[in-house]
Amino acid sequence: EDQVTQSPEALRLQEGESSSLNCSYTVSGLRGLFWYRQDPGKGPEFLFTLYSAGEEKEKERLKATLTKKESFLHITAPKPEDSATYLCAVEFLLGGADGLTFGKGTHLIIQP
Amino acid sequence: GAGVSQSPSNKVTEKGKDVELRCDPISGHTALYWYRQRLGQGLEFLIYFQGNSAPDKSGLPSDRFSAERTGESVSTLTIQRTQQEDSAVYLCASSSPSGTDTQYFGPGTRLTVL
Repeated sequence: EDQVTQSPEALRLQEGESSSLNCSYTVSGLRGLFWYRQDPGKGPEFLFTLYSAGEEKEKERLKATLTKKESFLHITAPKPEDSATYLCAVEFLLGGADGLTFGKGTHLIIQP
Repeated sequence: GAGVSQSPSNKVTEKGKDVELRCDPISGHTALYWYRQRLGQGLEFLIYFQGNSAPDKSGLPSDRFSAERTGESVSTLTIQRTQQEDSAVYLCASSSPSGTDTQYFGPGTRLTVL
């Protein structure tokens, strides 16, 4: 069964303390992998799309990378405003539903 | 520019009642998706509309759930005879046919079934 697993479930960092969030997936064919940020009471906000192994994308303090079995979201020198739940989602290449398959998310807290 | 909008933002209903949730996609977006997010769970795909094609209903959890879309505009998700397990945030997303599959989400409707 195709699955998306995110780790850790929760992460607490000090401001400026860099770290990485993991998204591993078991799919028969990957069309795209998406990262979203979700703040409490709001809908997910799009961050990145990755399509092929070796691809990297950056935005401010965030960098997303992709391998054949997992993706990492690297957060460099985070600030308190980076606190949110980060969601990873996968789109299948063939078969399955047309929607995205989401992981449960990593709840990130950045302490000042 | 305007993003995806949803209404109502919150809905409290009694078990057994029917509810309708509304989604206005980004103008020009031909694809529209509904997802459900239950507490502590990941987003679950419910249904997908693309233009005038037949919708992909493979994610609907039961026949109490249905959705309609008028052309490439507004969509309504209807839940009949609501149950307590239907309590969740219902999220709508839309995407453009311009070459990227990126889905842009609305703020969601929080449904509470008492």
